[in-house]
Amino acid sequence: QQQVKQSPQSLIVQKGGISIINCAYENTAFDYFPWYQQFPGKGPALLIAIRPDVSEKKEGRFTISFNKSAKQFSLHIMDSQPGDSATYFCAASTVQAGTALIFGKGTTLSVSS
Amino acid sequence: DAGVTQSPTHLIKTRGQQVTLRCSPKSGHDTVSWYQQALGQGPQFIFQYYEEEERQRGNFPDRFSGHQFPNYSSELNVNALLLGDSALYLCASSLILAGAPSTDTQYFGPGTRLTVL
Repeated sequence: QQQVKQSPQSLIVQKGGISIINCAYENTAFDYFPWYQQFPGKGPALLIAIRPDVSEKKEGRFTISFNKSAKQFSLHIMDSQPGDSATYFCAASTVQAGTALIFGKGTTLSVSS
Repeated sequence: DAGVTQSPTHLIKTRGQQVTLRCSPKSGHDTVSWYQQALGQGPQFIFQYYEEEERQRGNFPDRFSGHQFPNYSSELNVNALLLGDSALYLCASSLILAGAPSTDTQYFGPGTRLTVL
C-alpha cells in the first residue's frame, strides 16, 4: 500500500519557469513532510521540509504549500534553472525523531535552457 | 564536518551469496536508518538502529539484518541474495535527543550500488 502518491512522474520546464510537483498522503498521523533532491549516482539531499501547523514555507526559490484538509502538499521551484534538473522525492513521517520516511515514487525534472 | 559515509561504493554478487554493507553516520548523530532504492523508485525503509538495537523495521524479510556498533556506525547484512535485491542501498543518519525538541532530519549517504547476478 503506497502511502504517499507523487505526480507527475516527469516534468519538463523552460529555464526561468515554475516547476510544480504534487504529493498526496493517506495516513493522518503523518506530521513531517520533507522534500529531497537526488542527482544521478548520489544519495537524496534534504531540500525543504514542513510541519502541518503551517500552510506554506519558503526557502529561497523553493516553496512548500500544505493543505491539511486535502492531505496534499506540493513543491514549487521558482525561476527554475538547468542545475535544478534532478529527481525530486516527497516523503512523510511522524514527528518522533528518526522515524521511518515514507517516500513517493519521485519526479524527474528537466529544465531546458 | 564529515557527512554520512558508506562502503563499498559498488558491489557485485551472485544469487545465494551474502553481503555486508557499512555506514558511518554524520558526526554527532546516533541513529542510523537503512533504505533500499530500486531503479526508478523512491527509497524504501528497511530498518532503523538506535542504541545498538533495531528500533523500527519496514516490510523486508529476515534475510535483511543489521547491527549498530558503540561508535554508532552500522552494518546491513543480506543473506541468500536474490536478483531482486539489486538496488542502491542508502544509509541515513539522524539524532534522537531524549527530553529535547526532536528533529526528523535524516541525512543520506551516497549509497552502495549492489548488483546481484
